[in-house]
Amino acid sequence: EAEVAQSPRYKITEKSQAVAFWCDPISGHATLYWYRQILGQGPELLVQFQDESVVDDSQLPKDRFSAERLKGVDSTLKIQPAELGDSAMYLCASSLAGLTQETQYFGPGTRLLVL
Amino acid sequence: SQQGEEDPQALSIQEGENATMNCSYKTSINNLQWYRQNSGRGLVHLILIRSNEREKHSGRLRVTLDTSKKSSSLLITASRAADTASYFCATAPGADSWGKLQFGAGTQVVVTP
Repeated sequence: EAEVAQSPRYKITEKSQAVAFWCDPISGHATLYWYRQILGQGPELLVQFQDESVVDDSQLPKDRFSAERLKGVDSTLKIQPAELGDSAMYLCASSLAGLTQETQYFGPGTRLLVL
Repeated sequence: SQQGEEDPQALSIQEGENATMNCSYKTSINNLQWYRQNSGRGLVHLILIRSNEREKHSGRLRVTLDTSKKSSSLLITASRAADTASYFCATAPGADSWGKLQFGAGTQVVVTP
């Protein structure tokens, strides 16, 4: 069964450093989501792509976070500089067309610890 | 901001018992979904119920939706140790088919053998 791939699975960094996460969605899925999940909370959407275009980045802290999906396939989420409060699980998900009644398929996540 | 709130926050039961968790939300929805997350992993979709549906079944799962009370419940019957996970409700607000899912904080379920 096709899966969403994410790397790395774990990342430890010091504050003020730059970090990057990679996501490869299920083949053929037009919509890609990046979520942040703080321990003990549910996922919160950071950015949503439809093909290569951003359709929602209202919760993305744009002073330090950036995301791209240049060819409409895989995607990279970057944080520069990282802050202590960025420690969280970063989840990538994909769906076929972005309709809310579609299933979102999640990757295993990248757990970030900022020291 | 998180639209849904799950109750209880944590639930501990024995194998074979039923587990019930509730989700309340604030605004009108297009649909409501339930996801499961095993410790340290990604989320897995369990079931979707549309705003015009009242009850839905999938295997050992039963979901109800009461739009007048803005609430939903997830029942897991005859629980197994493998059901140990966090369960999240996610709402798709608004009347149209587009729009981001908003997740609650989850219910942590522990099933002991």
